[in-house]
Amino acid sequence: AQTVTQSQPEMSVQEAETVTLSCTYDTSESNYYLFWYKQPPSRQMILVIRQEAYKQQNATENRFSVNFQKAAKSFSLKISDSQLGDTAMYFCAFSWNSGNTPLVFGKGTRLSVIA
Amino acid sequence: GAGVSQSPRYKVAKRGQDVALRCDPISGHVSLFWYQQALGQGPEFLTYFQNEAQLDKSGLPSDRFFAERPEGSVSTLKIQRTQQEDSAVYLCASSPGTGREQFFGPGTRLTVL
Repeated sequence: AQTVTQSQPEMSVQEAETVTLSCTYDTSESNYYLFWYKQPPSRQMILVIRQEAYKQQNATENRFSVNFQKAAKSFSLKISDSQLGDTAMYFCAFSWNSGNTPLVFGKGTRLSVIA
Repeated sequence: GAGVSQSPRYKVAKRGQDVALRCDPISGHVSLFWYQQALGQGPEFLTYFQNEAQLDKSGLPSDRFFAERPEGSVSTLKIQRTQQEDSAVYLCASSPGTGREQFFGPGTRLTVL
C-alpha cells in the first residue's frame, strides 16, 4: 500500500520570503503521479502542482515548484515570494493513475504567511 | 463552467439517524470520488465511480455507508444509523479521466450528536 508522510504539521513564513514543505512517500510502483493540493480555510481543495514520476524535470507553476527525488521518494514544494493568500493547509498526495484512481493524502502542513 | 458542488454544506444529525449527502460533479466528468476528512487530518478515500459503475468501495468504513451514481452524473453518499465517529467533512471530487487531475467540491461537514 502506498503511504504519504508530511513531517511538518505547521510552518510559518514572512511575506515575500521562500518556504519549502516536505513530503516523502512509499510505493512499489514505477510510474505514478504526485500532487500538492492547497486547502484554504473555506475548505475547497485546489490543485497547486503535479508531477508525473516518469518525467525527470521538476514541475513548476509560477511561484510554486517541486523538488522531485524519485530514488529518495521525496517530493517537496517550494513557494517563492510568499503571499498572504498562500495561507492554507497543504496536502501532498499520491496516485498511480491520475484521474482514475484514488488519491492517497498525507496529513497536511498548515502554512501561515505573516505580514 | 461550474465546479463540483455538494449539498448540504452542513448537516447535524442525531446518533442513529440516516443522512444523505449529494455531489454534483463537473458536467462530463467520468470519474467521481468520495473522501472522508476527519478534523486535522488529510482526506481518506471512501469509494470511486466510473460513470455509473462503482469500481472501488474498499474505503467505506462499514456496511452503514452506501454510495450510488445511478445515471453516471450526480452521486449520493448515504450513511445509515449515524455514529459519533462518522463526524467529518465528506469531500467529493470528479475527473475527466485518465491522466487528469481531480477537482474537489467544498465538502459537507457532518456533525453527529
